[in-house]
Amino acid sequence: DAGVIQSPRHEVTEMGQEVTLRCKPISGHDYLFWYRQTMMRGLELLIYFNNNVPIDDSGMPEDRFSAKMPNASFSTLKIQPSEPRDSAVYFCASSSGTEDSPLHFGNGTRLTVT
Amino acid sequence: DQQVKQNSPSLSVQEGRISILNCDYTNSMFDYFLWYKKYPAEGPTFLISISSIKDKNEDGRFTVFLNKSAKHLSLHIVPSQPGDSAVYFCAATDYNQGGKLIFGQGTELSVKP
Repeated sequence: DAGVIQSPRHEVTEMGQEVTLRCKPISGHDYLFWYRQTMMRGLELLIYFNNNVPIDDSGMPEDRFSAKMPNASFSTLKIQPSEPRDSAVYFCASSSGTEDSPLHFGNGTRLTVT
Repeated sequence: DQQVKQNSPSLSVQEGRISILNCDYTNSMFDYFLWYKKYPAEGPTFLISISSIKDKNEDGRFTVFLNKSAKHLSLHIVPSQPGDSAVYFCAATDYNQGGKLIFGQGTELSVKP
């Protein structure tokens, strides 16, 4: 089991550019979550999917953020256009959605927008 | 509106002593609580959990206590070891909401030799 795989590990981009973060969940997990970590707010839930369908996107900051899950093994989080305040570590996590299956996180993507 | 709060951003403890990390929540619908541990440049990893029908759960050196009336939980680490130095996140969920976890801001624990 390779765990949740995220790419890239680091992304540095200029303000106004499009950024795409990628995630491969653990095989067999029906739920996929995107979180953002900042010093002020800790781990914020942005959006989560169940069986590839977005269930709750109330945490997505604004229309500049969008997420897709075209199939059970891949998801993207896109920011367009990016702004300096988007700089953070973005985590993807997956689970089977039961109490005895807590979220498994990837190692995150550290995004820096200059 | 922060539904899960960890009011101590950092904690320093001597090796061998007890570490106590605290967490408060506001949503009475939460029925499952978890602690995650995070090392630098890695994702959070699950540490220990507790259901709302219990008030204590123990796993080796780690014990989580839940006080529902006070909407408060704590993580005790005894004895603390230098390898326990990490950021600890408290999380809560209402499984009627599909298992999404709401996290606190984290507490950075430093265990000094």
